[in-house]
Amino acid sequence: EVQVVESGGGLVKPGGSLRLSCAASGFTFSDAWMSWVRQPPGKGLEWVGRIKSKTAGGTTDYAAPVKGRFTISRDDSKNTVYLQMNSLETEDTAVYYCATDPRGMHWGQGTLVTVSS
Amino acid sequence: QSVLTQPPSASGTPGQRVTISCSGGSSNIGRNAVNWYQQLPGTAPKLLIYTNNQRPSGVPDRFSGSKSGTSASLAISGLQSEDEADYYCAAWDDSLNGRVFGGGTKLTVL
Repeated sequence: EVQVVESGGGLVKPGGSLRLSCAASGFTFSDAWMSWVRQPPGKGLEWVGRIKSKTAGGTTDYAAPVKGRFTISRDDSKNTVYLQMNSLETEDTAVYYCATDPRGMHWGQGTLVTVSS
Repeated sequence: QSVLTQPPSASGTPGQRVTISCSGGSSNIGRNAVNWYQQLPGTAPKLLIYTNNQRPSGVPDRFSGSKSGTSASLAISGLQSEDEADYYCAAWDDSLNGRVFGGGTKLTVL
């Protein structure tokens, strides 16, 4: 059974940092491309970024609003992908989902990040 | 303002057929595959259609997708009360070098 589980969300002040984790199982994680998608309260889905598999180069792509502030990385030995978020802004408040890429076949349940003073 | 344009709402009665449109451009839908997601209230999105018209295992054949030029659409036939959800289209955008989503369509079953 495929499982994708995010963790690490919480309350952080503007300008602060937070690292989210996404642990996956039930598929060959090292072959998978993984993405992060967020959803502000009451609003639609917004793509954050993705990381390719190491065999595909392991490169990352980011949405314009987070480029330079957020970093996606992966540890295939732990079947885990990370989202390091720096210089957080109130507009980053959202539920953050981890999903397989490019189809988005498997999603986690999401973790809430609240940026507020 | 989303790169892909969807109607904010749609509705139908049980048993009816409804369609949800998704309009984009030459750098996204015009060149790349479209996926559709269903998000039931309070839950994570679920893949409904991938690569324009393919259904993952377990998705009823009441759901179908199509694409023509720079637009795509999702059709739901034999509408059921449990289909009441938000629906999103998505595609890769070559100009933005990122994935773009539609703003979402809230489907109400009357």
